[in-house]
Amino acid sequence: EVQLVESGGGLVQPGGSLRLSCEASGFTLSSYEMNWVRQAPGKGLEWISYISSSGGTKYYADSVKGRFTISRDNAKNSVFLQMNSLRAEDTAIYFCARESKAEGFDYWGQGTLVTVSS
Amino acid sequence: SYELTQPPSVSVSPGQTARITCSGDALPKKYAYWYQQKSGQAPVLVIYEDTKRPSGIPERFSGSSSGTMATLTISGAQAEDEADYYCYSTDTGGNDRRMFGGGTKVTVL
Repeated sequence: EVQLVESGGGLVQPGGSLRLSCEASGFTLSSYEMNWVRQAPGKGLEWISYISSSGGTKYYADSVKGRFTISRDNAKNSVFLQMNSLRAEDTAIYFCARESKAEGFDYWGQGTLVTVSS
Repeated sequence: SYELTQPPSVSVSPGQTARITCSGDALPKKYAYWYQQKSGQAPVLVIYEDTKRPSGIPERFSGSSSGTMATLTISGAQAEDEADYYCYSTDTGGNDRRMFGGGTKVTVL
């Protein structure tokens, strides 16, 4: 069974940092591209970052470019999102999502909540 | 910047048909994907590559695309279909330009 489990969320002050993890199981992580998508309270989905299966290609939304860094460790079945210079508007549930070539984001984790507040 | 535009809400009576539109300039060249999100849950893929339905998704969900508009149709809507629905696609400028539509709240009443 494919599973994605996010962790690392919590309360952080503005300007602080947080590292999110997404642990994958039930499939070979190295065969898939991965993404992070977030959802602010009461708002819609926002794609924020992509990483290729090898980790060689990375994309970011303009809203997080220069502050967030996506990475992966296929040997440890994990994808990460390093978030620096956090702002109140980064408060959201952060989901990791597997990307299939044809089916797009075919599996999602349950998300981890990040709250940026003083 | 590129945007995907959806109506904020759609209402449908049980057993009737709901149509949710998604408008974007790149849709003639890029596939649309549709996700269902029920309250407090992670999104679920219901349509990919404009018209294809993943295994396990009921046949009442279908997708179409014409020109700059993609459409998700729920034929014979059921109470359990009440949810937020998001379209997703990319811009023609490159795979780094990915976005979701603003979402449509479907109410079955």
